[in-house]
Amino acid sequence: DAGVIQSPRHEVTEMGQEVTLRCKPISGHDYLFWYRQTMMRGLELLIYFNNNVPIDDSGMPEDRFSAKMPNASFSTLKIQPSEPRDSAVYFCASTTGTGLSYEQYFGPGTRLTVT
Amino acid sequence: AQSVTQLDSHVSVSEGTPVLLRCNYSSSYSPSLFWYVQHPNKGLQLLLKYTSAATLVKGINGFEAEFKKSETSFHLTKPSAHMSDAAEYFCVVAGGYNKLIFGAGTRLAVHP
Repeated sequence: DAGVIQSPRHEVTEMGQEVTLRCKPISGHDYLFWYRQTMMRGLELLIYFNNNVPIDDSGMPEDRFSAKMPNASFSTLKIQPSEPRDSAVYFCASTTGTGLSYEQYFGPGTRLTVT
Repeated sequence: AQSVTQLDSHVSVSEGTPVLLRCNYSSSYSPSLFWYVQHPNKGLQLLLKYTSAATLVKGINGFEAEFKKSETSFHLTKPSAHMSDAAEYFCVVAGGYNKLIFGAGTRLAVHP
């Protein structure tokens, strides 16, 4: 398996623009997580899905952030409009709900820079 | 509620010397605990996990961790550091509903 795939790996955009980050989870995994990592706040869980349904979005910072999972193999995290304080590395992770090991598999991340 | 505290934000060792990264946890039930490693500009990789089996857990690259309930600790160790071990290490506790709760991280520097 190729692991969790994220695109793009790097994104540079101007303030006010829309940004869309993409994630393909590991085949067969029914949980998908979006995290944000910054120096100031560390690793934060933004939202997670189970069987394509959003379960907990309490970590989404503002209404400017939205996430979707239209099918089991694809998810997007959208920021509209983007702001400089959104600059961070965004990680997607997936796992299977069977068993209790909770191990999550992380993608390589998308480094977002908003100027 | 579950939480973890990593006691050191930075640890510096010489190559060939032991590594100790400290983690204390808080949990209202028997926890599942993990250590993840993040190399520069990379994603997070699982080093090892404890899920109520053996208290001494062996992971990849020679790392191991010991679960001590009496001390609520899950410290990560390695007998001999290698230059390639330089990275950030996260202690993690399962938070229920397949969620993970991450510590703040410990940055390990390895000097020749």
